Amino acid sequence: EVQLVESGGGLVQPGGSLRLSCAASGFTFSSDWMLWVRQAPGKGLVWVSRINSDGSSTTYADSVKGRITVSRDNTKNTLYLQMDTLRAEDTAMYYCGRGFSGNSFVLDHWGQGTLVTVSS
Amino acid sequence: EIVLTQSPGTLSLSPGERATLSCRASQNVGSSHLAWYQHNPGQAPRLLIYGVSSRATGIPDRFSGGGSETDFTLTISRLEPEDFAVYYCQQYAFSPITFGQGTRLETK
Repeated sequence: EVQLVESGGGLVQPGGSLRLSCAASGFTFSSDWMLWVRQAPGKGLVWVSRINSDGSSTTYADSVKGRITVSRDNTKNTLYLQMDTLRAEDTAMYYCGRGFSGNSFVLDHWGQGTLVTVSS
Repeated sequence: EIVLTQSPGTLSLSPGERATLSCRASQNVGSSHLAWYQHNPGQAPRLLIYGVSSRATGIPDRFSGGGSETDFTLTISRLEPEDFAVYYCQQYAFSPITFGQGTRLETK
């Protein structure tokens, strides 16, 4: 069974940093693209970032470019999201997801999310 | 960026009824790059439909998708109690991928 478990969320001050993790199991992690999607309170889903299977290619939404870095450790079956210079508008539930084999922009499995709150 | 507008915002129906959810794109996204997800708060979102009309693994056949270009629909033929949730459409024809704001399906 595919499982994705996010962790690392919490309360951080504006300008601070946080690293989110997504532990994967139940599939060959090193073969699949992975994505991050976030949902601000009361709002819809917004794509944040995508990384290819070996970590050599990454893409970001314009709203986070330059402040957020996605990476992965295929030896640990773990996806990461390093978030720097955080702003109040980064407050959201952050979900990791596996890219579908038919099209890696479709998320065929998601985690339950980890909540990031940016506030002083 | 392509904007997806879902309607209605909230749909109130009873178990056994038919639900039709709409997703309208601000530009033509073609006939194959649209997906639908189901989300119960506190749980992981679930992929229902990809490629406009293909059901994901394990999705019951009461769920069906259709449409093309700018107008898409998700139909649930006979609502089961577990179907009451929030539904999102997603386009992946153009970068950045975008999601609709969601339709909440609630019990009448």
